[in-house]
Amino acid sequence: DAGVTQSPTHLIKTRGQQVTLRCSPKSGHDTVSWYQQALGQGPQFIFQYYEEEERQRGNFPDRFSGHQFPNYSSELNVNALLLGDSALYLCASSLYVYQATNEKLFFGSGTQLSVL
Amino acid sequence: QQQVKQSPQSLIVQKGGISIINCAYENTAFDYFPWYQQFPGKGPALLIAIRPDVSEKKEGRFTISFNKSAKQFSLHIMDSQPGDSATYFCAASKGTGGYQKVTFGTGTKLQVIP
Repeated sequence: DAGVTQSPTHLIKTRGQQVTLRCSPKSGHDTVSWYQQALGQGPQFIFQYYEEEERQRGNFPDRFSGHQFPNYSSELNVNALLLGDSALYLCASSLYVYQATNEKLFFGSGTQLSVL
Repeated sequence: QQQVKQSPQSLIVQKGGISIINCAYENTAFDYFPWYQQFPGKGPALLIAIRPDVSEKKEGRFTISFNKSAKQFSLHIMDSQPGDSATYFCAASKGTGGYQKVTFGTGTKLQVIP
């Protein structure tokens, strides 16, 4: 049973460019969340997708956008890259349960983005 | 705004000793408190979690102690092993209609020496 898979594992971009990161959730999961983890810090919530719609969003600018496809996979897009966007981007999947508050998150190994 | 504060930043424990990591939260609406373990090059993995109506939860060598009135919780690792060397994150979440937004602490890098 494959867990959460992310691609690519590493990426180098220059300031001002755009980047797309991809995530396939764990089998049986239908909800995808994205987190940004700066070096030496805890992950920070970017947004969460369910039924192809953004359901919750953290404190990130509109340069960060996403998409979820009918097969539950997801993309994270970042426009106009800044040096400060350099971080490990983590995808987490879970199963949506109405009114549940403690569904277990499964994380992928992340995409390490370096902005030069 | 850091809603979950974690200490210490790093911790060195001898094999067989007890590792203790502390966290404090501000938002009383949080209703789920997980701990994650992260090895280098990997994503965080859920270790153990607790809800605020319980004061303690134990799973194997790992125990969460929860003090709702003080808004504090801690992770105890008994009989620490070199394989426990990793970064540990406390976290808190508040579900909204089934959607979770998890707020993480800043992490504690644990090194267990033989």
